Amino acid sequence: NAGVMQNPRHLVRRRGQEARLRCSPMKGHSHVYWYRQLPEEGLKFMVYLQKENIIDESGMPKERFSAEFPKEGPSILRIQQVVRGDSAAYFCASSPASTGGTGELFFGEGSRLTVL
Amino acid sequence: QKEVEQDPGPLSVPEGAIVSLNCTYSNSAFQYFMWYRQYSRKGPELLMYTYSSGNKEDGRFTAQVDKSSKYISLFIRDSQPSDSATYLCAMKSNSGYALNFGKGTSLLVTP
Repeated sequence: NAGVMQNPRHLVRRRGQEARLRCSPMKGHSHVYWYRQLPEEGLKFMVYLQKENIIDESGMPKERFSAEFPKEGPSILRIQQVVRGDSAAYFCASSPASTGGTGELFFGEGSRLTVL
Repeated sequence: QKEVEQDPGPLSVPEGAIVSLNCTYSNSAFQYFMWYRQYSRKGPELLMYTYSSGNKEDGRFTAQVDKSSKYISLFIRDSQPSDSATYLCAMKSNSGYALNFGKGTSLLVTP
């Protein structure tokens, strides 16, 4: 399967714990995006990364949230000290370098975080 | 006012009907317009992509962009039960990387 792979698909955390979500982009894609979908809300942009670089993090909450896309391995979205309001579906998307600015994204199936 | 407005529905139509889905937007800088389809508990899938104004057709799907009215549409001809999903409009400007999504319209096509 050459699609965008996200894991875990479902994650349950208690308040105050850490959540780590992983994303492997499609083969040949060097651009990774993270979006969050809150219940009854549309998808909201969080961050855009290329290998070893954060290009645009304008949608990331200022505290507790961080993202990385190392030279080797998947992209990681990390949420520290989770709160109930972090419960959402987190989607990763990727694109090749040639269409990075056009919005033609390939999404994974999402990681659903539930905070108890 | 939200940047992208989309009626959440739900919209229920009989099989074979023509479906019209719409979004309005407020940011005149938007140049790229997309429609994504999202099945329940799945990720969005790109259906149609349009740059600037005009129409684009792909099989049973037609996308229209009217920048003067800040209004985009997706038409589905000969709708099928397998078209039952949530349809998300999305758009972005030339600057920046964020897609701005509507909340999505839930469509149900009944046999």
